[in-house]
Amino acid sequence: TQLLEQSPQFLSIQEGENLTVYCNSSSVFSSLQWYRQEPGEGPVLLVTVVTGGEVKKLKRLTFQFGDARKDSSLHITAAQPGDTGLYLCAGATGDKIIFGKGTRLHILP
Amino acid sequence: EPEVTQTPSHQVTQMGQEVILRCVPISNHLYFYWYRQILGQKVEFLVSFYNNEISEKSEIFDDQFSVERPDGSNFTLKIRSTKLEDSAMYFCASSGFGYTFGSGTRLTVV
Repeated sequence: TQLLEQSPQFLSIQEGENLTVYCNSSSVFSSLQWYRQEPGEGPVLLVTVVTGGEVKKLKRLTFQFGDARKDSSLHITAAQPGDTGLYLCAGATGDKIIFGKGTRLHILP
Repeated sequence: EPEVTQTPSHQVTQMGQEVILRCVPISNHLYFYWYRQILGQKVEFLVSFYNNEISEKSEIFDDQFSVERPDGSNFTLKIRSTKLEDSAMYFCASSGFGYTFGSGTRLTVV
């Protein structure tokens, strides 16, 4: 069974600080995606990384795919209260993606 | 921006009844999916659908479940003989170059 482990499960930091959350697996994925999910809503795609070692930036968010395509990280610079939410990683395998349990991020003003 | 539309947003049904959840995927997408999320748990894959047939399904997707694309725009998930443990958010998604999820249907089985 392929699993994606996200850490930490919960993170509460002050506005302006930097943070990194992780998504790890023992399995290789053809691509890895990061989503943000608001309560009562569906996941919203932030980014897809495909190539091992790939780095993508989305404003203050930096996403990295591990060289072996088994893990990924999301780094947020100068976190803002608007970054508060549930961040999910999902790995593509076969004709589907499988999700991790998510990191719930809370940015304190 | 194109959206995946799901109806109804909420559905309450009695145990043992059948429900049909409806989805309108993005028109030029070729792959369609159903996922579910039990309250407080992770998003789980149910089934993927391509070229008018199931391309992959999970262990959860047993004979109680079926999917259909009855016309050129709708994609449905039928759950027969619902059980209490079927209560969850059900998300439809479609993919082209990336996945787009709908806002979900909250199914409550009482």
